[in-house]
Amino acid sequence: GAGVSQSPSNKVTEKGKDVELRCDPISGHTALYWYRQSLGQGLEFLIYFQGNSAPDKSGLPSDRFSAERTGGSVSTLTIQRTQQEDSAVYLCASSSFGYEQYFGPGTRLTVT
Amino acid sequence: KQEVTQIPAALSVPEGENLVLNCSFTDSAIYNLQWFRQDPGKGLTSLLLIQSSQREQTSGRLNASLDKSSGRSTLYIAASQPGDSATYLCAVTTDSWGKLQFGAGTQVVVTP
Repeated sequence: GAGVSQSPSNKVTEKGKDVELRCDPISGHTALYWYRQSLGQGLEFLIYFQGNSAPDKSGLPSDRFSAERTGGSVSTLTIQRTQQEDSAVYLCASSSFGYEQYFGPGTRLTVT
Repeated sequence: KQEVTQIPAALSVPEGENLVLNCSFTDSAIYNLQWFRQDPGKGLTSLLLIQSSQREQTSGRLNASLDKSSGRSTLYIAASQPGDSATYLCAVTTDSWGKLQFGAGTQVVVTP
């Protein structure tokens, strides 16, 4: 079985542009998480989806960040009007019933 | 507010020695604790998950203990090998949603 996949693996964008990051979770996993890893902040939680429940958006750093999960599977994290402080590695994880989380390889975002 | 601390931040040992990595957390009301390994430029690989009701988990050369009352977990890696060189992260789940709160990690180098 395939693990969690993310695309693109690397993204370089200019300040002010919008970006979309994609996550394909492990098939059958009902929970999906987004985290961000940056040099200054370590690993921090962004947003969580569980089945058809309303997502937990408590970790999103600003209203420029949003995420959706279509059909209970694929998720897209969107960052609007990117800023240099958004540069980080964005990691996606999935799990079954909120237990052991399995991470994807991440998307490295660089905002110039 | 939960805080997760990992000491030491970095560790270098000769091949064959046992590794002892420490993780402490300030709020003992956790659901579970998970240990991860991260290789440079890669995502996170789950090593062990300990439920809050458990005292330890073992997988091959790895053993993790959990003492909730004192807010501590220890990861033991027996007979270290150069391939064990990586950053090791611990993370706790403090709600039923399963979102993880991470320590800053311990960077391990095993020299041949």
